[in-house]
Amino acid sequence: KAGVTQTPRYLIKTRGQQVTLSCSPISGHRSVSWYQQTPGQGLQFLFEYFSETQRNKGNFPGRFSGRQFSNSRSEMNVSTLELGDSALYLCASSLEHNTEAFFGQGTRLTVV
Amino acid sequence: QKEVEQNSGPLSVPEGAIASLNCTYSDRGSQSFFWYRQYSGKSPELIMFIYSNGDKEDGRFTAQLNKASQYVSLLIRDSQPSDSATYLCAAGANNLFFGTGTRLTVIP
Repeated sequence: KAGVTQTPRYLIKTRGQQVTLSCSPISGHRSVSWYQQTPGQGLQFLFEYFSETQRNKGNFPGRFSGRQFSNSRSEMNVSTLELGDSALYLCASSLEHNTEAFFGQGTRLTVV
Repeated sequence: QKEVEQNSGPLSVPEGAIASLNCTYSDRGSQSFFWYRQYSGKSPELIMFIYSNGDKEDGRFTAQLNKASQYVSLLIRDSQPSDSATYLCAAGANNLFFGTGTRLTVIP
């Protein structure tokens, strides 16, 4: 059974640009959550999608957005990138809301 | 106050010993509790989950939950050098909050 797939694995962007990250959850999983991980702040919750609807949102500015498609694949977008957005972005999929979540390998974003 | 707090570590134990990792959470409405292991440069890997008060054992791992004290712990018996990693505690209801992790080193 394939795990959670995130693409791309690495990205380098310039301040002010925007970026889109993709996450394909485990087959059959309907919930996809996104997290930002930085050395100083640890894992911070961005948002959760379930059956194409945003279910919860963390405390991040509106520059961070996401969506989920009918096949449960999810994308997150960050607009007007700032240096502080440099982080590892992790996607986790679970069968249902608030059940065991499995992480993808992450996308390492560097903003220069 | 952070939603989930873990003993900051780092924690070092000799091979074969029991490693004890602790976590407290602030949201009394939390219903789901997880322990993840994260090796350096890798993504978190789920190792235990617990939803009810009491103990849950899986191989060398035991998770303990005490909702009255808002406390979760993870015991690793017969610790191995391969257990050396950062352990993340997560708790939540509507969404998961993660602690900042405890770095464990098992000394051969």
